[in-house]
Amino acid sequence: EVQLVESGGGLAQPGGSLRLSCAASGFTFSFFWMHWVRQAPGKGLVWVSRVNSDGTDTSYADSVKGRLIISRDNAKNTLYLQLNSLTAEDTAVYFCVREAFQGHFDYWGQGTQITVSS
Amino acid sequence: SYDLIQPPSVSVSPGQTASITCSGDKLGDKSACWYQQKPGQSPVLIIHEDKKRPSGIPERFSGSNSGNTATLTISGAQAMDEADYYCQACDRSSLWVFGGGTKVTVL
Repeated sequence: EVQLVESGGGLAQPGGSLRLSCAASGFTFSFFWMHWVRQAPGKGLVWVSRVNSDGTDTSYADSVKGRLIISRDNAKNTLYLQLNSLTAEDTAVYFCVREAFQGHFDYWGQGTQITVSS
Repeated sequence: SYDLIQPPSVSVSPGQTASITCSGDKLGDKSACWYQQKPGQSPVLIIHEDKKRPSGIPERFSGSNSGNTATLTISGAQAMDEADYYCQACDRSSLWVFGGGTKVTVL
């Protein structure tokens, strides 16, 4: 059974940093591109970032470029998202997502909440 | 950037048909996907590659994509179909952009 389990969310100060993790199981993690998608309270889904299967190539939404870093450790079957210079606009649930070979998002984690507030 | 536009809300009576549109420039040339999200839950893929249903998704959900518009159709809507629905351009050149979401109410 495919499982994606996020962790690392919580309350953060404006200007602070957080590192999210996503533990993957039930599939060959190193075969798949992985993504982070976020959802602010009461708002829609927003794609944030993706990393290719071996971690050598990444891309980011313009709204987060330069502040967020996506990475992965295929030996540990884990996806990461480093968030820096946090602002209130980063308050959201962050989902770890697997991209199927055809390009759609076939498995989603349960999400981890980040709240940025002083 | 690439934008996808969905109606904010759609209402449907039980047993009737609901159609949700998703508009984007030449969307028909891309692969469209649809996700269902119920309150407090993670999104679930219900349509990929314009019209394919993953295993376990009821046949009452169908999709089409042509021109500038992709459409999700719920035939014989049930109370359990009340949810938010998001379209997506499942295309690496479109940076996986989502539509704004449509709240479906069954009443």
